[in-house]
Amino acid sequence: ETGVTQSPTHLIKTRGQQVTLRCSSQSGHNTVSWYQQALGQGPQFIFQYYREEENGRGNFPPRFSGLQFPNYSSELNVNALELDDSALYLCASSLGGLANEKLFFGSGTQLSVL
Amino acid sequence: DAKTTQPPSMDCAEGRAANLPCNHSTISGNEYVYWYRQIHSQGPQYIIHGLKNNETNEMASLIITEDRKSSTLILPHATLRDTAVYYCIVRVAASFQKLVFGTGTRLLVSP
Repeated sequence: ETGVTQSPTHLIKTRGQQVTLRCSSQSGHNTVSWYQQALGQGPQFIFQYYREEENGRGNFPPRFSGLQFPNYSSELNVNALELDDSALYLCASSLGGLANEKLFFGSGTQLSVL
Repeated sequence: DAKTTQPPSMDCAEGRAANLPCNHSTISGNEYVYWYRQIHSQGPQYIIHGLKNNETNEMASLIITEDRKSSTLILPHATLRDTAVYYCIVRVAASFQKLVFGTGTRLLVSP
């Protein structure tokens, strides 16, 4: 157990809909990052939030957006869902601002887009 | 970040040492080697990392060759619970926490 919790664990949506995924970071961690993991692939970095600001982004379109709240919890929002958005979405937290930090991952949200 | 190459799968008998290789021939002098693993239906779990010296912790040992072009993760006494996908990642030490995962090595530990 890492202390990073994600909700919901599973979600089914229809193409074109919008979805919000939630993440509570480990106590004391002020940095949250999100990853997308397609079936059979390694996780791909979406973006990172540090002290409520996005400070790094992977190769994902603007319809993937996020928020980080004062308590360092975070949301991932995906608009205009496409079939290829079906994946496991992972949240990871870390202490922030330090080199060589370990990332602590949650168990993910499995999103299916029909 | 430098690319890594890992075998797609490996087998190991329970109780024996599991030695997982990783090639990172284009690694730069300021890039670290990290290992994470992902057990089915869970998020990745940090195992160990190192720059150029061998490292050991309660989970595993990391052996990095002198030229730093390859490394080996060693699980000294593999158990069934070590069955997972193991990812070798190289990255520059920074506060920016992006990890670039490949497809990893699927380790199957059998009785």
